[in-house]
Amino acid sequence: AQSVSQHNHHVILSEAASLELGCNYSYGGTVNLFWYVQYPGQHLQLLLKYFSGDPLVKGIKGFEAEFIKSKFSFNLRKPSVQWSDTAEYFCAVRLTGFQKLVFGTGTRLLVSP
Amino acid sequence: DADVTQTPRNRITKTGKRIMLECSQTKGHDRMYWYRQDPGLGLRLIYYSFDVKDINKGEISDGYSVSRQAQAKFSLSLESAIPNQTALYFCATSDPGGGSKYNEQFFGPGTRLTVL
Repeated sequence: AQSVSQHNHHVILSEAASLELGCNYSYGGTVNLFWYVQYPGQHLQLLLKYFSGDPLVKGIKGFEAEFIKSKFSFNLRKPSVQWSDTAEYFCAVRLTGFQKLVFGTGTRLLVSP
Repeated sequence: DADVTQTPRNRITKTGKRIMLECSQTKGHDRMYWYRQDPGLGLRLIYYSFDVKDINKGEISDGYSVSRQAQAKFSLSLESAIPNQTALYFCATSDPGGGSKYNEQFFGPGTRLTVL
């Protein structure tokens, strides 16, 4: 079955630590890829997206993600996290030609000051 | 995102009651979606609609129904609520246009529903 996997369910970091959240998908075709963030008590907001071109995508708030087609991965990174990055992060995939997004189960990030 | 609104924001109800959750958008998007979010399960699609005359089931539509009253309004109903429908419900919209905006979804603030 088609799926999106986020391996880390909970991540705890100190401020200024580097972050990498994993995302893998099982689709074989061309995909569009997204990372969404949900701050405590808020709705989902788009962090960044990949449709085509440069596989290294830069998003808001210093986040970036790299699409590695051979590994079916779209990992999210940030060199130095801040307390305000505490949130839940969702990877989502859309298979080209299909209309729906499929979301991963999310990763809760807690950044301690 | 103030462009997508949901009412109510919180609701507590009892088993067997009928509940309607409403979603309105001012983004002018044709496509609207209903998701539920459960801890550890992420977001799962309940129903989606690509225009007023188009309604489609998502992966977990059992126990739910929807109504697309207008381009801007998409309601989700629980005909007879049960406790395992306790969850956070999100409405989302997207623009069917081409290019990189295609299928980027914009989310409402969510409705926290508790079924006792």
